[in-house]
Amino acid sequence: DAKTTQPPSMDCAEGRAANLPCNHSTISGNEYVYWYRQIHSQGPQYIIHGLKNNETNEMASLIITEDRKSSTLILPHATLRDTAVYYCIACYNFGNEKLTFGTGTRLTIIP
Amino acid sequence: EAQVTQNPRYLITVTGKKLTVTCSQNMNHEYMSWYRQDPGLGLRQIYYSMNVEVTDKGDVPEGYKVSRKEKRNFPLILESPSPNQTSLYFCASKNDRAVGYTFGSGTRLTVV
Repeated sequence: DAKTTQPPSMDCAEGRAANLPCNHSTISGNEYVYWYRQIHSQGPQYIIHGLKNNETNEMASLIITEDRKSSTLILPHATLRDTAVYYCIACYNFGNEKLTFGTGTRLTIIP
Repeated sequence: EAQVTQNPRYLITVTGKKLTVTCSQNMNHEYMSWYRQDPGLGLRQIYYSMNVEVTDKGDVPEGYKVSRKEKRNFPLILESPSPNQTSLYFCASKNDRAVGYTFGSGTRLTVV
């Protein structure tokens, strides 16, 4: 699986869009970009994933660059409950894919 | 409610005393995994299972055993726990149709 690089921490004002970057310059053509988040010490929660097209769901949007070497997770209207560690993971989408978690980005939403 | 249930949530035990952490899912998922989370090391996969009676090692399997006799259950067994197995443990499940893994709430294990 490709290695991903994320900033260790970010702050965002409540109500603003939170943009979390991820670098995955060695990603292979068949690897997907997945995002999970972990609130405090709860179990990680799936957010969104994509291959090369931008994706949007009820939680977030995922923007993947054309060369697929980086991506951005966008939380459009951040709330205090979005404070968490966000993990960007590049892996194959076999169904039983192993998730290799890095250290993620600790996002703090400021009132 | 679709969920992965782990028990216990918290456990303090002594070195060498065998223990089992249970994991059960009600979503009929084929794939189940165990992860441990340690400060500075992130989440690391211990074992995984692709279906009943099919299990394989993850990245850090030493000191652990698993079994998958039924589709819904995937217990994690520590035959002789040691202090370096003090950690936060997560069970997760998925199938081909799910878009992401569902994780349990975690088991915080302390071995003294």
